[in-house]
Amino acid sequence: EPEVTQTPSHQVTQMGQEVILRCVPISNHLYFYWYRQILGQKVEFLVSFYNNEISEKSEIFDDQFSVERPDGSNFTLKIRSTKLEDSAMYFCASSDGLAGGYEQYFGPGTRLTVT
Amino acid sequence: QQQVKQSPQSLIVQKGGIPIINCAYENTAFDYFPWYQQFPGKGPALLIAIRPDVSEKKEGRFTISFNKSAKQFSLHIMDSQPGDSATYFCAAPQNSGNTPLVFGKGTRLSVIA
Repeated sequence: EPEVTQTPSHQVTQMGQEVILRCVPISNHLYFYWYRQILGQKVEFLVSFYNNEISEKSEIFDDQFSVERPDGSNFTLKIRSTKLEDSAMYFCASSDGLAGGYEQYFGPGTRLTVT
Repeated sequence: QQQVKQSPQSLIVQKGGIPIINCAYENTAFDYFPWYQQFPGKGPALLIAIRPDVSEKKEGRFTISFNKSAKQFSLHIMDSQPGDSATYFCAAPQNSGNTPLVFGKGTRLSVIA
């Protein structure tokens, strides 16, 4: 069964450093999302991406964040200058756009630890 | 923006029991309500989802009940097993169309043998 994959599984970085989180969505999917989950809390939306551009973003997704689809398979989230409060699990999700796009499939996540 | 209120925050049941998790939503315009299951250190996995044109949907031991007039939907787990111990999240679409999901705060379920 196709699945969303993410790398790395765990990233430790120092405050102020740039990180890039990588995702490979399910191959025939058209809509891509990044969510994050601070330990023990609910899943929060960051940004959605369709047709090579951002379709929606939350207030969390400020100028420190950017997304890119550099080739036909990868989808990346970059945090330009990490802060302690960026420590969280980051999940990539994708959907095929059918059923209103609501059937979103999540990857296993990247645990980002900012020290 | 769509809000989703989930309860209870945690739940402990005996093996074989039927835990029930409830969610309430605000906007009646939207038409898809999924439940996700999350194990520690893993991503949320789509478990089951319902559209409001039906009042109930079953997949294996998992059942969603939907009450459109009350703007509520609930997850029932029949014959619960220790392997069902996980955190369960309800969600709803933020807007219409291909849209981000808004999640409830989650229910941590423990099924004890």
